[in-house]
Amino acid sequence: EVHLLESGGDLVQPGGSLRLSCAASGFTFGSNAMSWVRQAPGKGLEWVSAISGSGSSTYYADSVKGRFTISRDNSKNTLFLQMNSLRAEDTAVYYCAKELRRSLDVWGQGTTVTVSS
Amino acid sequence: DIVMTQTPLSSPVTLGQPASISCRSSQGLVHSDGNTYLSWLQQRPGQPPRLLIYKISNRFSGVPDRFSGSGAGTDFTLKISRVEAEDVGIYYCMQATQFPFTFGPGTKVDIK
Repeated sequence: EVHLLESGGDLVQPGGSLRLSCAASGFTFGSNAMSWVRQAPGKGLEWVSAISGSGSSTYYADSVKGRFTISRDNSKNTLFLQMNSLRAEDTAVYYCAKELRRSLDVWGQGTTVTVSS
Repeated sequence: DIVMTQTPLSSPVTLGQPASISCRSSQGLVHSDGNTYLSWLQQRPGQPPRLLIYKISNRFSGVPDRFSGSGAGTDFTLKISRVEAEDVGIYYCMQATQFPFTFGPGTKVDIK
């Protein structure tokens, strides 16, 4: 069974950093592009970042460009999101999602990031 | 960026009756490879999103056949032929033709 499990969410002060992880199982991880999508409390979905299967190509939303870095370790079936210079507006549930034919076919349960002093 | 809009934003429906959600993109979604990367997702209360439809009209594995997608260019539609109680939630369209991927604002479907 295909499974994604996010971790690393926490309460952090504005300007702080956090690293999210997404452990994948049940599929050939390195063969699939992956994305991070976030959802602020009571709000809709916002795509954050994507990375190709090899890790050679990365893409970011303007709202996080220069502050967040997506990466992956295909030997450990793990996706990462390094988040620096965090702001209150980054407060959200962060989901990792697997790409299939440019759709997001499998989602994790999410991890909560709260940016507050 | 491609802006996605949805109508209605709220849709109270009667059990067993059909429901329809429209999604419009600010520009055409045909990719250079000829595909149109428009998908529909369902988010039930307290749950992560779930893929229903990909590439306009392809039903994802395990999705009931009462869900169908259609459209072309900039106008797309998700239809539920007969709404069931388990269909309550928020429905999002999403384009992945061009980075950044973008979502519609969501349409809340609940039971009258």
